[in-house]
Amino acid sequence: GQSLEQPSEVTAVEGAIVQINCTYQTSGFYGLSWYQQHDGGAPTFLSYNGLDGLEEKGRFSSFLSRSDSYGYLLLQELQMKDSASYLCAVRGVSFKTIFGAGTRLFVKA
Amino acid sequence: NAGVTQTPKFQVLKTGQSMTLQCAQDMNHNSMYWYRQDPGMGLRLIYYSASEGTTDKGEVPNGYNVSRLNKREFSLRLESAAPSQTSVYFCASIPHEGVLDTQYFGPGTRLTVL
Repeated sequence: GQSLEQPSEVTAVEGAIVQINCTYQTSGFYGLSWYQQHDGGAPTFLSYNGLDGLEEKGRFSSFLSRSDSYGYLLLQELQMKDSASYLCAVRGVSFKTIFGAGTRLFVKA
Repeated sequence: NAGVTQTPKFQVLKTGQSMTLQCAQDMNHNSMYWYRQDPGMGLRLIYYSASEGTTDKGEVPNGYNVSRLNKREFSLRLESAAPSQTSVYFCASIPHEGVLDTQYFGPGTRLTVL
Protein backbone atom coordinates (compact mmCIF):
# COMPACT_ATOMS: atom_id res chain seq x y z
CA GLY A 1 0.00 0.00 0.00
CA GLN A 2 0.91 3.66 -0.07
CA SER A 3 1.23 5.76 3.04
CA LEU A 4 2.80 8.88 4.46
CA GLU A 5 3.49 9.29 8.15
CA GLN A 6 3.95 12.60 9.91
CA PRO A 7 3.43 13.67 13.54
CA SER A 8 -0.07 14.87 14.34
CA GLU A 9 1.00 17.89 16.42
CA VAL A 10 4.08 19.95 17.19
CA THR A 11 4.35 22.89 19.60
CA ALA A 12 7.15 25.47 19.55
CA VAL A 13 7.93 28.92 20.88
CA GLU A 14 7.99 32.08 18.80
CA GLY A 15 11.47 32.68 17.39
CA ALA A 16 12.49 29.03 17.69
CA ILE A 17 13.23 26.41 15.01
CA VAL A 18 10.97 23.42 14.40
CA GLN A 19 11.39 20.35 12.21
CA ILE A 20 8.41 18.38 10.87
CA ASN A 21 9.24 14.90 9.62
CA CYS A 22 7.60 12.85 6.92
CA THR A 23 8.26 9.21 6.02
CA TYR A 24 6.66 7.65 3.01
CA GLN A 25 5.96 4.33 1.38
CA THR A 26 4.71 4.66 -2.19
CA SER A 27 4.70 2.88 -5.52
CA GLY A 28 7.02 5.03 -7.57
CA PHE A 29 8.42 8.36 -6.48
CA TYR A 30 8.74 11.62 -8.34
CA GLY A 31 9.14 14.10 -5.51
CA LEU A 32 8.14 15.28 -2.03
CA SER A 33 6.17 18.48 -1.55
CA TRP A 34 5.07 20.51 1.46
CA TYR A 35 1.91 22.57 1.82
CA GLN A 36 0.69 24.95 4.49
CA GLN A 37 -2.97 25.05 5.46
CA HIS A 38 -4.54 27.51 7.90
CA ASP A 39 -7.82 26.62 9.61
CA GLY A 40 -10.71 26.96 7.17
CA GLY A 41 -8.37 27.65 4.28
CA ALA A 42 -6.97 25.85 1.28
CA PRO A 43 -3.51 24.27 1.13
CA THR A 44 -0.81 26.51 -0.32
CA PHE A 45 2.44 25.25 -1.80
CA LEU A 46 5.64 25.74 0.22
CA SER A 47 8.40 23.63 -1.30
CA TYR A 48 9.35 20.68 -3.44
CA ASN A 49 12.26 18.19 -3.39
CA GLY A 50 12.83 16.02 -6.41
CA LEU A 51 16.41 15.12 -5.54
CA ASP A 52 18.22 14.35 -2.29
CA GLY A 53 19.39 17.28 -0.25
CA LEU A 54 18.26 20.54 1.24
CA GLU A 55 16.18 23.21 -0.49
CA GLU A 56 16.14 26.59 1.19
CA LYS A 57 13.46 29.23 0.69
CA GLY A 58 13.76 32.03 3.19
CA ARG A 59 12.69 30.90 6.65
CA PHE A 60 11.52 27.55 5.28
CA SER A 61 13.79 24.70 4.19
CA SER A 62 12.95 21.18 3.09
CA PHE A 63 15.11 18.08 2.98
CA LEU A 64 14.81 14.76 1.19
CA SER A 65 16.58 11.42 1.49
CA ARG A 66 15.20 9.05 -1.13
CA SER A 67 17.23 6.09 0.18
CA ASP A 68 15.54 6.50 3.58
CA SER A 69 12.11 7.43 2.14
CA TYR A 70 12.23 10.40 4.47
CA GLY A 71 11.97 14.14 4.34
CA TYR A 72 11.45 17.07 6.65
CA LEU A 73 10.33 20.66 6.66
CA LEU A 74 12.37 23.08 8.75
CA LEU A 75 10.82 26.35 9.89
CA GLN A 76 13.15 28.96 11.37
CA GLU A 77 12.46 32.16 13.31
CA LEU A 78 8.96 30.98 14.04
CA GLN A 79 6.20 33.57 13.99
CA MET A 80 2.66 33.36 15.37
CA LYS A 81 1.31 33.38 11.81
CA ASP A 82 3.13 30.07 11.18
CA SER A 83 0.52 28.32 13.34
CA ALA A 84 -1.15 26.08 10.78
CA SER A 85 -1.22 22.52 9.49
CA TYR A 86 1.65 21.33 7.32
CA LEU A 87 1.00 18.58 4.79
CA CYS A 88 3.63 16.47 3.12
CA ALA A 89 2.77 14.99 -0.27
CA VAL A 90 4.39 12.50 -2.60
CA ARG A 91 3.89 12.26 -6.34
CA GLY A 92 3.94 8.55 -7.11
CA VAL A 93 2.95 6.19 -9.87
CA SER A 94 0.63 7.49 -12.61
CA PHE A 95 1.32 11.02 -11.38
CA LYS A 96 -1.14 10.67 -8.52
CA THR A 97 -0.27 12.70 -5.45
CA ILE A 98 -0.72 11.18 -2.00
CA PHE A 99 -0.99 13.49 1.01
CA GLY A 100 -0.14 12.87 4.62
CA ALA A 101 -2.72 13.57 7.33
CA GLY A 102 -0.92 16.78 8.26
CA THR A 103 1.01 18.10 11.26
CA ARG A 104 -0.65 20.80 13.29
CA LEU A 105 1.93 23.38 14.44
CA PHE A 106 1.14 25.53 17.47
CA VAL A 107 3.42 28.54 17.94
CA LYS A 108 3.34 29.98 21.47
CA ALA A 109 4.45 33.45 22.54
CA ASN B 1 -6.06 36.14 -12.50
CA ALA B 2 -8.63 34.49 -10.24
CA GLY B 3 -6.56 31.28 -9.99
CA VAL B 4 -8.74 28.28 -9.11
CA THR B 5 -12.38 29.01 -8.32
CA GLN B 6 -14.99 26.66 -6.88
CA THR B 7 -18.75 26.91 -6.53
CA PRO B 8 -20.64 26.65 -4.31
CA LYS B 9 -18.69 27.46 -1.13
CA PHE B 10 -21.22 25.73 1.12
CA GLN B 11 -23.95 23.19 0.42
CA VAL B 12 -26.35 21.10 2.47
CA LEU B 13 -28.00 18.09 0.83
CA LYS B 14 -30.40 15.41 1.93
CA THR B 15 -29.47 11.77 1.46
CA GLY B 16 -30.19 10.71 -2.11
CA GLN B 17 -30.04 14.17 -3.65
CA SER B 18 -27.63 14.90 -6.47
CA MET B 19 -25.42 17.88 -7.15
CA THR B 20 -22.46 19.07 -9.17
CA LEU B 21 -19.45 20.89 -7.75
CA GLN B 22 -17.90 23.27 -10.22
CA CYS B 23 -14.22 24.10 -10.59
CA ALA B 24 -12.49 26.42 -13.03
CA GLN B 25 -8.92 27.68 -13.44
CA ASP B 26 -7.65 30.55 -15.56
CA MET B 27 -3.94 29.68 -15.47
CA ASN B 28 -3.95 27.50 -18.59
CA HIS B 29 -2.99 24.45 -16.53
CA ASN B 30 -3.14 21.00 -18.06
CA SER B 31 -3.94 18.83 -15.05
CA MET B 32 -6.80 19.17 -12.60
CA TYR B 33 -7.69 17.23 -9.46
CA TRP B 34 -10.54 16.70 -7.03
CA TYR B 35 -9.78 15.90 -3.37
CA ARG B 36 -11.82 15.46 -0.25
CA GLN B 37 -10.52 16.35 3.19
CA ASP B 38 -11.86 14.78 6.34
CA PRO B 39 -10.62 15.42 9.90
CA GLY B 40 -7.48 13.45 10.68
CA MET B 41 -7.28 11.93 7.20
CA GLY B 42 -5.59 14.54 5.09
CA LEU B 43 -6.44 15.03 1.44
CA ARG B 44 -7.63 12.03 -0.52
CA LEU B 45 -7.70 12.02 -4.31
CA ILE B 46 -11.12 11.33 -5.82
CA TYR B 47 -10.48 11.81 -9.54
CA TYR B 48 -7.98 13.60 -11.68
CA SER B 49 -7.61 14.75 -15.26
CA ALA B 50 -4.09 14.78 -16.66
CA SER B 51 -5.21 16.75 -19.71
CA GLU B 52 -8.32 17.90 -21.50
CA GLY B 53 -10.38 14.91 -22.54
CA THR B 54 -8.94 12.42 -20.03
CA THR B 55 -10.02 11.45 -16.52
CA ASP B 56 -8.77 8.80 -14.10
CA LYS B 57 -9.79 7.42 -10.74
CA GLY B 58 -7.96 8.31 -7.56
CA GLU B 59 -8.05 6.66 -4.14
CA VAL B 60 -11.76 7.16 -3.34
CA PRO B 61 -13.80 7.42 -6.59
CA ASN B 62 -16.88 5.46 -5.52
CA GLY B 63 -20.06 7.56 -5.50
CA TYR B 64 -18.58 10.28 -7.72
CA ASN B 65 -18.32 11.12 -11.40
CA VAL B 66 -16.32 13.82 -13.13
CA SER B 67 -16.33 15.76 -16.37
CA ARG B 68 -13.42 17.66 -17.88
CA LEU B 69 -15.57 20.04 -19.86
CA ASN B 70 -12.63 21.91 -21.43
CA LYS B 71 -9.15 22.92 -20.38
CA ARG B 72 -10.50 25.37 -17.81
CA GLU B 73 -13.30 23.42 -16.14
CA PHE B 74 -13.45 20.18 -14.18
CA SER B 75 -16.70 19.28 -12.42
CA LEU B 76 -17.46 16.67 -9.75
CA ARG B 77 -20.90 15.10 -9.53
CA LEU B 78 -22.55 13.26 -6.67
CA GLU B 79 -25.37 11.23 -8.18
CA SER B 80 -26.98 10.11 -4.91
CA ALA B 81 -25.46 11.81 -1.89
CA ALA B 82 -24.76 9.83 1.28
CA PRO B 83 -23.84 11.08 4.78
CA SER B 84 -20.37 9.53 4.29
CA GLN B 85 -19.78 12.14 1.59
CA THR B 86 -19.95 14.96 4.12
CA SER B 87 -16.56 16.58 3.70
CA VAL B 88 -14.62 19.54 2.38
CA TYR B 89 -13.92 19.23 -1.33
CA PHE B 90 -10.92 20.89 -2.94
CA CYS B 91 -10.16 21.29 -6.60
CA ALA B 92 -6.56 21.78 -7.66
CA SER B 93 -4.55 22.26 -10.83
CA ILE B 94 -0.92 21.99 -11.87
CA PRO B 95 0.75 23.54 -14.90
CA HIS B 96 2.33 20.40 -16.29
CA GLU B 97 2.86 16.77 -15.48
CA GLY B 98 5.95 15.00 -14.24
CA VAL B 99 8.11 17.98 -13.35
CA LEU B 100 7.38 20.16 -10.37
CA ASP B 101 4.35 19.07 -8.38
CA THR B 102 3.06 22.50 -7.45
CA GLN B 103 -0.65 22.20 -6.92
CA TYR B 104 -2.81 25.32 -6.85
CA PHE B 105 -5.93 24.81 -4.76
CA GLY B 106 -9.34 26.40 -4.91
CA PRO B 107 -10.99 27.71 -1.71
CA GLY B 108 -13.01 24.53 -1.18
CA THR B 109 -16.66 23.50 -0.98
CA ARG B 110 -18.01 22.51 2.41
CA LEU B 111 -20.65 19.85 1.86
CA THR B 112 -22.98 18.42 4.50
CA VAL B 113 -25.23 15.47 3.69
CA LEU B 114 -28.06 14.91 6.16
